[in-house]
Amino acid sequence: QKEVEQNSGPLSVPEGAIASLNCTYSDRGSQSFFWYRQYSGKSPELIMFIYSNGDKEDGRFTAQLNKASQYVSLLIRDSQPSDSATYLCAVHSGSARQLTFGSGTQLTVLP
Amino acid sequence: EAGVAQSPRYKIIEKRQSVAFWCNPISGHATLYWYQQILGQGPKLLIQFQNNGVVDDSQLPKDRFSAERLKGVDSTLKIQPAKLEDSAVYLCASSVDLANNEQFFGPGTRLTVL
Repeated sequence: QKEVEQNSGPLSVPEGAIASLNCTYSDRGSQSFFWYRQYSGKSPELIMFIYSNGDKEDGRFTAQLNKASQYVSLLIRDSQPSDSATYLCAVHSGSARQLTFGSGTQLTVLP
Repeated sequence: EAGVAQSPRYKIIEKRQSVAFWCNPISGHATLYWYQQILGQGPKLLIQFQNNGVVDDSQLPKDRFSAERLKGVDSTLKIQPAKLEDSAVYLCASSVDLANNEQFFGPGTRLTVL
């Protein structure tokens, strides 16, 4: 079982719609959760982090965490073509003292 | 604030040759990370430094890979000898310290081994 799992996609949404990206993790001791955006040929860029159960909003982005279900998600409201990228979920385990990345979900926002 | 710097941006070598990558983290960041990202996968941690000490190198193929951060600032990652399967993007990241897991990535070095 992979430690951090994401649906690889591709996920396509029309411009203006809500894009929903999901991630599950296996280590119950995980304490912090990150979403990175990676444009093709570029390096990952940190866009959101969440430490506590519930929702965290930042502009058009909302991160949701449910530790009981070992599930973290990213919602992108009013999706724009510029949001087209691969979104990487990363989980930090206190015991492993390292960030473990999923394989990413490729998002395409259609004009 | 300047970001994480890496060089070179691209490198093409033949198998069994050696190669070195350089990274300069964000000023004031104590923790430095080297990742390997193979096409279609997420970054995989190779080694993690706190100042000039190694925190975790459990996933570093030590028979061919080495890394150092002698003065606790910039760092070098070396591969000797390279194999075809080492073709990947090598990413350097830094964070304020070990307790702060918000990592910021450099532009990466794309390595092609022929």
